[in-house]
Amino acid sequence: QKEVEQDPGPLSVPEGAIVSLNCTYSNSAFQYFMWYRQYSRKGPELLMYTYSSGNKEDGRFTAQVDKSSKYISLFIRDSQPSDSATYLCAMRGSSASKIIFGSGTRLSIRP
Amino acid sequence: DTGVSQDPRHKITKRGQNVTFRCDPISEHNRLYWYRQTLGQGPEFLTYFQNEAQLEKSRLLSDRFSAERPKGSFSTLEIQRTEQGDSAMYLCASSLNGGTGSGANVLTFGAGSRLTVL
Repeated sequence: QKEVEQDPGPLSVPEGAIVSLNCTYSNSAFQYFMWYRQYSRKGPELLMYTYSSGNKEDGRFTAQVDKSSKYISLFIRDSQPSDSATYLCAMRGSSASKIIFGSGTRLSIRP
Repeated sequence: DTGVSQDPRHKITKRGQNVTFRCDPISEHNRLYWYRQTLGQGPEFLTYFQNEAQLEKSRLLSDRFSAERPKGSFSTLEIQRTEQGDSAMYLCASSLNGGTGSGANVLTFGAGSRLTVL
């Protein structure tokens, strides 16, 4: 079993829709939770991160962490065609530790 | 500083040959990571350095793989006796701060080195 599970999609929604992306994990030691976005033929880039449980909002993006359920989500409001990319959840424990990525969800926003 | 640079961008080699990839991180970043990514998958952790010290190496990594960061600046990843299963994108990333600092979450990735083993 992988430490981090993510639905690979693909997910296709119309422009303006609210998008929900999710990951589950098994390692209770994870403390930091990140979302990266990867465009085709590019390296991933960080969208946002949260520490422990709770919500964090940044513009059209909201990240949620529920440590009791070992479940994290990323919501995208008013989705745009430029949001079409692969979204990767990632997480790590505290202290000096490696970052583990999910397999990524491919998202397509239809104009 | 132009970000994280990786060289070469694409390498085609025959099975059994050795290949070496180079990564130049952002100059002030003290942590450097190597990941491997195959089509439709997320980046798979290989190893990471804090300055010149290699702190962790994936258990999935065979002895054919070795990485160095001799002076805490650039890093090399060598694959000996390549196999077709080694074909993948090899991503390098760097970050500032280690430990519990939030900077450790902010990985800056290079564009990757794509390896094709024939």
